[in-house]
Amino acid sequence: NAGVMQNPRHLVRRRGQEARLRCSPMKGHSHVYWYRQLPEEGLKFMVYLQKENIIDESGMPKERFSAEFPKEGPSILRIQQVVRGDSAAYFCASSPAGAPTGELFFGEGSRLTVL
Amino acid sequence: TQLLEQSPQFLSIQEGENLTVYCNSSSVFSSLQWYRQEPGEGPVLLVTVVTGGEVKKLKRLTFQFGDARKDSSLHITAAQPGDTGLYLCAALRGATNKLIFGTGTLLAVQP
Repeated sequence: NAGVMQNPRHLVRRRGQEARLRCSPMKGHSHVYWYRQLPEEGLKFMVYLQKENIIDESGMPKERFSAEFPKEGPSILRIQQVVRGDSAAYFCASSPAGAPTGELFFGEGSRLTVL
Repeated sequence: TQLLEQSPQFLSIQEGENLTVYCNSSSVFSSLQWYRQEPGEGPVLLVTVVTGGEVKKLKRLTFQFGDARKDSSLHITAAQPGDTGLYLCAALRGATNKLIFGTGTLLAVQP
């Protein structure tokens, strides 16, 4: 009974490169959320997706960041032309459809370091 | 401004001591959750409180939801080194009911 799977766990990129972070939700979960966390800080909401649909992207930077959750395959968070300020831990979480109180199940995160 | 303010921000105590952390807001919530995050891992849900004034216990952890459903507290009795971690409160917000997290309390329990 696999939980939320994220990969890679660690990613190093040079400024200007692209970063792709993947998230496979728990089995039976159709809602995916991406959060960003700086060291010893809380989680900042980025985007909320359902299959083939972006529900809320109010936390996503307007440029360079995009997210998708295709009909088949994992959710992808894509960061183009990375800068040092993008260095952070990116967490994915999933929930089943219609969870009334919104409990989320988190992956172990992908830690991006931009050199 | 943060919707959910947690205090204290940092707390370092000795094993066996008691502590309370707080999660405050000016907004009313239909429910509120508490998560614990250990270094290098994702947050793990501890409890959801739904009713104003509700108290829930999880072993040595006691969670309370304020009567007005604007705030919550987490009390740990006889803290142990295994309680060390980042404690986060969270609540649903907005038309899309996305989960928003508080600023966090980083707890270190020294043996």
